Amino acid sequence: DAGVIQSPRHEVTEMGQEVTLRCKPISGHDYLFWYRQTMMRGLELLIYFNNNVPIDDSGMPEDRFSAKMPNASFSTLKIQPSEPRDSAVYFCASSLRGRAFFGQGTRLTVV
Amino acid sequence: AQSVTQPDIHITVSEGASLELRCNYSYGATPYLFWYVQSPGQGLQLLLKYFSGDTLVQGIKGFEAEFKRSQSSFNLRKPSVHWSDAAEYFCAVGNNAGNMLTFGGGTRLMVKP
Repeated sequence: DAGVIQSPRHEVTEMGQEVTLRCKPISGHDYLFWYRQTMMRGLELLIYFNNNVPIDDSGMPEDRFSAKMPNASFSTLKIQPSEPRDSAVYFCASSLRGRAFFGQGTRLTVV
Repeated sequence: AQSVTQPDIHITVSEGASLELRCNYSYGATPYLFWYVQSPGQGLQLLLKYFSGDTLVQGIKGFEAEFKRSQSSFNLRKPSVHWSDAAEYFCAVGNNAGNMLTFGGGTRLMVKP
């Protein structure tokens, strides 16, 4: 397996634009997580899914953030509208039996 | 609520020296504990995990960690550090299924020749 695949690796966008981050989990994994990493706040769990169903989205900072998992092999994290304070590295991870594997992340810069 | 504290933000060790990175956790039940390593520009790679059983767990790259319930600690150790170990290390605690990880703030390890 190629591991967790995230796209794009880098995204630069203007404030107010919609941003969509994509994630392909490892086949067979039953959990999927979205994390955000910043210097100030470290690694924060935004939302996670179990068998494609959102379980806990209490980490999503605002209604501007939304995440979907339409099937077992794909998830998106959308920010609309984006703001400069959303600039961070966003990681997707998938896990099976408590062992999580992370993607390489998407570095988002909102200018 | 679960939480993790890594008291050391930066650590510098000489190549070949031993290493111990500290991790303290707070969790109401038996914790699931993890150490991850992150190289610059990369995602996180699992080094080792503790779910139950032997409190001394072995991981990849020569790392080990010891779970001490009385101290609420899960410190990471390596007997001899290599220059390639320079990275950021994260300790994490998971819920009863080992999911929903809460990470510590990380410790950045620098290795000097």
